[in-house]
Amino acid sequence: GAGVSQSPSNKVTEKGKDVELRCDPISGHTALYWYRQSLGQGLEFLIYFQGNSAPDKSGLPSDRFSAERTGGSVSTLTIQRTQQEDSAVYLCASRRFWEGNTGELFFGEGSRLTVL
Amino acid sequence: AQSVTQLDSHVSVSEGTPVLLRCNYSSSYSPSLFWYVQHPNKGLQLLLKYTSAATLVKGINGFEAEFKKSETSFHLTKPSAHMSDAAEYFCVGENYGGSQGNLIFGKGTKLSVKP
Repeated sequence: GAGVSQSPSNKVTEKGKDVELRCDPISGHTALYWYRQSLGQGLEFLIYFQGNSAPDKSGLPSDRFSAERTGGSVSTLTIQRTQQEDSAVYLCASRRFWEGNTGELFFGEGSRLTVL
Repeated sequence: AQSVTQLDSHVSVSEGTPVLLRCNYSSSYSPSLFWYVQHPNKGLQLLLKYTSAATLVKGINGFEAEFKKSETSFHLTKPSAHMSDAAEYFCVGENYGGSQGNLIFGKGTKLSVKP
């Protein structure tokens, strides 16, 4: 597709269940970011992938959160044993790097997670 | 940029009046800076970016921003607000070689436009 695609757009789950959120970045974008946006809050950095480098996981709030990026393309953010405080919009973004330059960040429309 | 500060969490203007959203940064070198807009229930969209070319940057929808090194500022302006400008605006700095994927986000400014 032409833009960053995220699925599901909405997810309602029960406390304690695991959820997977998917991000399909723009083709050719080597950098991929996950952010969390709680109601009325700014963006909280979660994790960053760049090419074949080790991901920057410094923003993951707990070991219940993990993410992977397969084949340098699609990424999955997994939240295990969800808690009510995990309720938020999870945004994915991608951009490309070339010859030391960086392009603009393109965002998906987000996955809204509600934990009951 | 090592830090990005948006000075107002909420700005309210009347339709047809000027908009000023303030952003300050700290950096030991000339950074790349961006403004993004987020309309309700949407992802973020790039408004404009500064990358050490012209200090006055024009973006989409009539917005512009001026990079002022002496004031370490990158304020976003628009001469005349429109109802459709009501959204959240984020100032973002490039943090070369830093963590978080080299990007530092401000906390956002919510712009309300009154009829």
